[in-house]
Amino acid sequence: AQKITQTQPGMFVQEKEAVTLDCTYDTSDQSYGLFWYKQPSSGEMIFLIYQGSYDEQNATEGRYSLNFQKARKSANLVISASQLGDSAMYFCAMRDESYNTDKLIFGTGTRLQVFP
Amino acid sequence: ETGVTQTPRHLVMGMTNKKSLKCEQHLGHNAMYWYKQSAKKPLELMFVYNFKEQTENNSVPSRFSPECPNSSHLFLHLHTLQPEDSALYLCASSPTGDSGGEIYNEQFFGPGTRLTVL
Repeated sequence: AQKITQTQPGMFVQEKEAVTLDCTYDTSDQSYGLFWYKQPSSGEMIFLIYQGSYDEQNATEGRYSLNFQKARKSANLVISASQLGDSAMYFCAMRDESYNTDKLIFGTGTRLQVFP
Repeated sequence: ETGVTQTPRHLVMGMTNKKSLKCEQHLGHNAMYWYKQSAKKPLELMFVYNFKEQTENNSVPSRFSPECPNSSHLFLHLHTLQPEDSALYLCASSPTGDSGGEIYNEQFFGPGTRLTVL
């Protein structure tokens, strides 16, 4: 069965510093996609970044980058130059791309707090 | 209005009540999803609709009844709920519910309905 593990329930980072949020996954499938979402206190899930299992380069989107290590089954999110507005819950998710229905499996999340 | 909207944002109901959650997407997507987010648990997929047809029911109890009259609207009808059903219910949409990994197919989420069952 597929599983996403986020071992950091909470992280603190000072403004303007970089922070890495850990995510490991378990799947026996060859084709899959990995997502990171941000959930502020308002509740909505905001898409941040996507990495396909066959992508050779690490995904980047502005201040977000995904450190994809396929052999280790890890997909850590790196946020550079943290801002106060980055304080939120962050969820790693995996999509099984070998089935007909697009299902996302989520981890338990990491609460990031950015302090001045 | 743009994106994915959900109403109501907050709902308190008794175990014998019947209520409905509404989700509407203005993105022209063909797939819609219901997720449940309980405290300290991962988001759980409940239902998937693709082109108005239900393609996934993740062993959800029958006291939750989804309805998808068209690709833009999704409802979750609630009846005789239990206190453990209290959670944040999130709706999402994506271009398709069956991308086979061929396209990005990012899911866009609404702000959620915070449900409390007394």
